[in-house]
Amino acid sequence: NAGVMQNPRHLVRRRGQEARLRCSPMKGHSHVYWYRQLPEEGLKFMVYLQKENIIDESGMPKERFSAEFPKEGPSILRIQQVVRGDSAAYFCASSPDVNYGYTFGSGTRLTVV
Amino acid sequence: DQQVKQNSPSLSVQEGRISILNCDYTNSMFDYFLWYKKYPAEGPTFLISISSIKDKNEDGRFTVFLNKSAKHLSLHIVPSQPGDSAVYFCAARRVGNTGNQFYFGTGTSLTVIP
Repeated sequence: NAGVMQNPRHLVRRRGQEARLRCSPMKGHSHVYWYRQLPEEGLKFMVYLQKENIIDESGMPKERFSAEFPKEGPSILRIQQVVRGDSAAYFCASSPDVNYGYTFGSGTRLTVV
Repeated sequence: DQQVKQNSPSLSVQEGRISILNCDYTNSMFDYFLWYKKYPAEGPTFLISISSIKDKNEDGRFTVFLNKSAKHLSLHIVPSQPGDSAVYFCAARRVGNTGNQFYFGTGTSLTVIP
């Protein structure tokens, strides 16, 4: 039973490019959460999705960031026109039910050069 | 607005001694608290939790204490082992209209010295 799978593990993008981060939840988990950890900061909630629905995106920056969790395939966090300040570790977590705690993936470390 | 705070960014303890990691929170609506452990280049993994209706939960070498009046919780590790060296995140749950949301502290890096 594979855990939460995130890829790529490391992603380097130049300023202005697009970054696409993928997350495959654990088998049987239909709730996906994205968190961001900036240097010297804790984990900050970004967005909560269920299949084909965004449930809570209160932590998402208003511009350039979007997320989806299609009926088939992984959840995608997309960052358009990346800037240096987007450099961070992005963690995905999943749960089988809204009342359960999370299982986290290993994260994607995005570096914008 | 940091609703969950871990004021000690790092802690060093001798092997065999007790490690005490502290966490403070501001929102009285939090009903469930968790500790996660994170090794470098890995995602956080769940360690132990406590409901707001309890004041103590123990699991092997790990014990979490909750003081609701002080809005404070702590994680005790006894005896500490070198493999416990990791970053520990405190998290608190609040039930909202769209389900639960978890708020995380900034983490405490624990080093257990052999």
